[in-house]
Amino acid sequence: DARVTQTPRHKVTEMGQEVTMRCQPILGHNTVFWYRQTMMQGLELLAYFRNRAPLDDSGMPKDRFSAEMPDATLATLKIQPSEPRDSAVYFCASGLVLAGSYNEQFFGPGTRLTVL
Amino acid sequence: AQSVTQLGSHVSVSEGALVLLRCNYSSSVPPYLFWYVQYPNQGLQLLLKYTSAATLVKGINGFEAEFKKSETSFHLTKPSAHMSDAAEYFCAVRVKGNTPLVFGKGTRLSVIA
Repeated sequence: DARVTQTPRHKVTEMGQEVTMRCQPILGHNTVFWYRQTMMQGLELLAYFRNRAPLDDSGMPKDRFSAEMPDATLATLKIQPSEPRDSAVYFCASGLVLAGSYNEQFFGPGTRLTVL
Repeated sequence: AQSVTQLGSHVSVSEGALVLLRCNYSSSVPPYLFWYVQYPNQGLQLLLKYTSAATLVKGINGFEAEFKKSETSFHLTKPSAHMSDAAEYFCAVRVKGNTPLVFGKGTRLSVIA
């Protein structure tokens, strides 16, 4: 049963610390998305990659957030330095984009981040 | 630009009653439409999708949705609610092409015994 996996599932850290969240997309998927979910804003798209290349990261605060795909099996989202307002659940999703396809997205279980 | 509006952030129904969750979309081109469900402390799971085939789409767990172009709607229904249906439901839209899904704010469904 192919799934998107995310680690860690929970992270509590202090303001100013670096946070790294990891995602393993479904094998064979060529597109990876990072979302942030909060009560106030709902689901927000932070960034997404296709074939490991960043296509859009306009939803991400550039001064503290960075997203990378070191290889096809790993996507990372880093926050440095973290702030209390970054507290949220961060979801990774992956999908297979082909010409004319409808691009269903498969979501991981999320990383619940609390910044004190 | 496409967008999705979900009417009602919280819907409460009795067990066995009809479930109706509303979704209206805005898109300049024929859209692809999705409903996702999120159970507590879990990620989003696809319920059903409309991809320009049949306008009445059946999904998992007895849910279905009807695409109505004239009303720009894609409401989610289930004839009889079950306690296990309590969750957050998200409507999403994407136009053909390579753009990501755009999600609505979500509707929390509560089922009362």
